[in-house]
Amino acid sequence: GQQLNQSPQSMFIQEGEDVSMNCTSSSIFNTWLWYKQDPGEGPVLLIALYKAGELTSNGRLTAQFGITRKDSFLNISASIPSDVGIYFCAGLVTGYSTLTFGKGTMLLVSP
Amino acid sequence: GAGVSQSPRYKVAKRGQDVALRCDPISGHVSLFWYQQALGQGPEFLTYFQNEAQLDKSGLPSDRFFAERPEGSVSTLKIQRTQQEDSAVYLCASNRGDSRYYEQYFGPGTRLTVT
Repeated sequence: GQQLNQSPQSMFIQEGEDVSMNCTSSSIFNTWLWYKQDPGEGPVLLIALYKAGELTSNGRLTAQFGITRKDSFLNISASIPSDVGIYFCAGLVTGYSTLTFGKGTMLLVSP
Repeated sequence: GAGVSQSPRYKVAKRGQDVALRCDPISGHVSLFWYQQALGQGPEFLTYFQNEAQLDKSGLPSDRFFAERPEGSVSTLKIQRTQQEDSAVYLCASNRGDSRYYEQYFGPGTRLTVT
């Protein structure tokens, strides 16, 4: 099935650094979601974006819905060890039930 | 309950066996979704229910996969004659089914290993 393109595939950073990751698609989406998945757990919703150009924050997380509706970005500021996990983007076309996920960005944070 | 629950958390099946995976959605959630997550990949959509009606099953990989939600709450995903390629984590998600239907809440998943 179709999956979104996420980059980078993995990141290894020092605690306190800022992190940026992105997600691109060949198709337009009307909603972008960012999830975090810890080992052995299901994805947990972090941020939802509903309008092109929208910039939304949730604590140290900031995400943007690209103007073209074909991309989205997630930034994490001042990373901490508990930020470790896999971050997934997911797109939704209005009127359809299914989320299309990226392959994920694995984040490792060194204390 | 506080969140989506799934059982069993782990299942090992011999090739050719049938398995049944259970999902208990958040109480009152109208919509229920099943996803398959292969190792190192993102979740991929399998099927979607609104109440007891299965509205989309386009993601089911073969006719060996069957899902039901007879009373509009608990759902079961059944895989018949399991194959090695069925090994994956099966995730269930639910949401309220209103205008914010994209906010899907996931369970912990069932890790299926077919030997």
